[in-house]
Amino acid sequence: ETGVTQSPTHLIKTRGQQVTLRCSSQSGHNTVSWYQQALGQGPQFIFQYYREEENGRGNFPPRFSGLQFPNYSSELNVNALELDDSALYLCASGRQGGKGDTIYFGEGSWLTVV
Amino acid sequence: TQLLEQSPQFLSIQEGENLTVYCNSSSVFSSLQWYRQEPGEGPVLLVTVVTGGEVKKLKRLTFQFGDARKDSSLHITAAQPGDTGLYLCAGGGFQKLVFGTGTRLLVSP
Repeated sequence: ETGVTQSPTHLIKTRGQQVTLRCSSQSGHNTVSWYQQALGQGPQFIFQYYREEENGRGNFPPRFSGLQFPNYSSELNVNALELDDSALYLCASGRQGGKGDTIYFGEGSWLTVV
Repeated sequence: TQLLEQSPQFLSIQEGENLTVYCNSSSVFSSLQWYRQEPGEGPVLLVTVVTGGEVKKLKRLTFQFGDARKDSSLHITAAQPGDTGLYLCAGGGFQKLVFGTGTRLLVSP
């Protein structure tokens, strides 16, 4: 139990549609990152939010966007879905500036694009 | 671009055997982390190594960070079926992690 919850756990979308994935972090976690994990591969960093501002971005196009809210929740939005967007999307949160560097992953949202 | 290569990609062994997983890069990392991920779950942190040459033990798991901080290894002694999972090394800034390609371990009774 990491205290990081994601929703939905599974969803199927059609190519061209838009999707919103949600993450609820532990209280006090001021940093959240999103990762994409394709089948059989390691997670790839999409972007990070720190105190509600984007704080770094991986090699993903602008149609991947996010929001972080004051209540320690966050969203990942993907527009114009493509087949290759099918993957497990992981949210990770932690407290930057706190003791230690442990980050906690949610169980992920499985997205299938057909 | 920092890359982490893991080997082997897949390992199938019998209970009681020993194994080593390698994580290599051409880049220097200030620290490396090892995670284990089980099906349907997110990665769970096993250990963080920070100092070149550092060795950390977690029960039957031994983690080593290379002297040059470019590589790391995970050694499991007397593997058990409960060790089955995807092992990932990762490095980089706080939460902006670069993950390795992963090693999928299957331990059969």
